[in-house]
Amino acid sequence: GESVGLHLPTLSVQEGDNSIINCAYSNSASDYFIWYKQESGKGPQFIIDIRSNMDKRQGQRVTVLLNKTVKHLSLQIAATQPGDSAVYFCAESRTYKYIFGTGTRLKVLA
Amino acid sequence: EPEVTQTPSHQVTQMGQEVILRCVPISNHLYFYWYRQILGQKVEFLVSFYNNEISEKSEIFDDQFSVERPDGSNFTLKIRSTKLEDSAMYFCASSEAGRGELFFGSGTQLSVL
Repeated sequence: GESVGLHLPTLSVQEGDNSIINCAYSNSASDYFIWYKQESGKGPQFIIDIRSNMDKRQGQRVTVLLNKTVKHLSLQIAATQPGDSAVYFCAESRTYKYIFGTGTRLKVLA
Repeated sequence: EPEVTQTPSHQVTQMGQEVILRCVPISNHLYFYWYRQILGQKVEFLVSFYNNEISEKSEIFDDQFSVERPDGSNFTLKIRSTKLEDSAMYFCASSEAGRGELFFGSGTQLSVL
């Protein structure tokens, strides 16, 4: 069946360091991938997306890498700030349905 | 900035009662969704809606669930006879295109007692 999973449930990083959040997916037919950030008490907020015809996409302070060979997705956050503290979800899609992973909690240490 | 709005923010109901969760998607969006999140767990897809009909639904979305766009602005999720396991945060989302950024509301926390 389909599944999207995350390697680490919690990631702690020092403020100013780079963060890397990883995600594995199992459906090789998925062709669209998204990272969402969820702060406490709020709905998921879009960060960045990537389509399967790409292997890297950059945004403002964020980069998503896609490795289709091993079905792996990662989110890199440069110069992590306290405001980056949240739960991060990856999601995969091949239709209108987005399948979310279980989430990684990012804690930024001062 | 346009946003998806959901009401109420909290809903408490007795098991077996009907509840209607309301959402106002972003005005120029054409695709609408409901997701739910049980406390501490992942966000789960329920249903997608386009052109006044369901385009896709999950196995969670059984006969107890229904969606409706009663007018040009609202999008509702109805649970006919709530069960304890329906307790969750329900998120409405909308998008301009079928595949792309989903904009989520802040959610309705449903508690079934």
